[in-house]
Amino acid sequence: NAGVTQTPKFQVLKTGQSMTLQCAQDMNHEYMSWYRQDPGMGLRLIHYSVGAGITDQGEVPNGYNVSRSTTEDFPLRLLSAAPSQTSVYFCASSWDFNTGELFFGEGSRLTVL
Amino acid sequence: AQKVTQAQTEISVVEKEDVTLDCVYETRDTTYYLFWYKQPPSGELVFLIRRNSFDEQNEISGRYSWNFQKSTSSFNFTITASQVVDSAVYFCALSEARSGNQFYFGTGTSLTVIP
Repeated sequence: NAGVTQTPKFQVLKTGQSMTLQCAQDMNHEYMSWYRQDPGMGLRLIHYSVGAGITDQGEVPNGYNVSRSTTEDFPLRLLSAAPSQTSVYFCASSWDFNTGELFFGEGSRLTVL
Repeated sequence: AQKVTQAQTEISVVEKEDVTLDCVYETRDTTYYLFWYKQPPSGELVFLIRRNSFDEQNEISGRYSWNFQKSTSSFNFTITASQVVDSAVYFCALSEARSGNQFYFGTGTSLTVIP
């Protein structure tokens, strides 16, 4: 009964380093998305996917890449980390694009020095 | 413009008091969905309720109740007889049928229940 699994939970990077946040869900949800949470700003959508092979940008996509090769996995890549990307990242999935509730992972806290 | 506004940044109440968290939304769609999520201190996000734009009936679930009023574009959340375990950040969210694929979250209201 895993739901949405995110790894790692914590990561410290130096400016310019790259990394991938992993997200996997076992509920056969077509819709997956990545959010970042910053103090006083709520949750902001980075990228989303409505199915394998289909991705699109959200509100704050700059500096991030995604791919969706399988229904289960939706990794988020930071190609060259910047201090402005210090945040808590949440992966979420849903059975429906806009009527279904989002199921969230536990979050990944990223610090870029 | 912010599609979902939660004007209350922080609220503190004493245990057993009732508290209402406000949510005002903005949309031109006739079909849309409203949500509330809870984020306790442990950090995970927990779904509480979904309401579609065609159903203005208020809903009650235990100590929780929700008041949806299209006339004022509000979807307020009331906790009755608050408990310490209710201490969390609460987010209101909106999704629009026409735009699809995007949930718009408010900035959250941090509720502290003092024992």
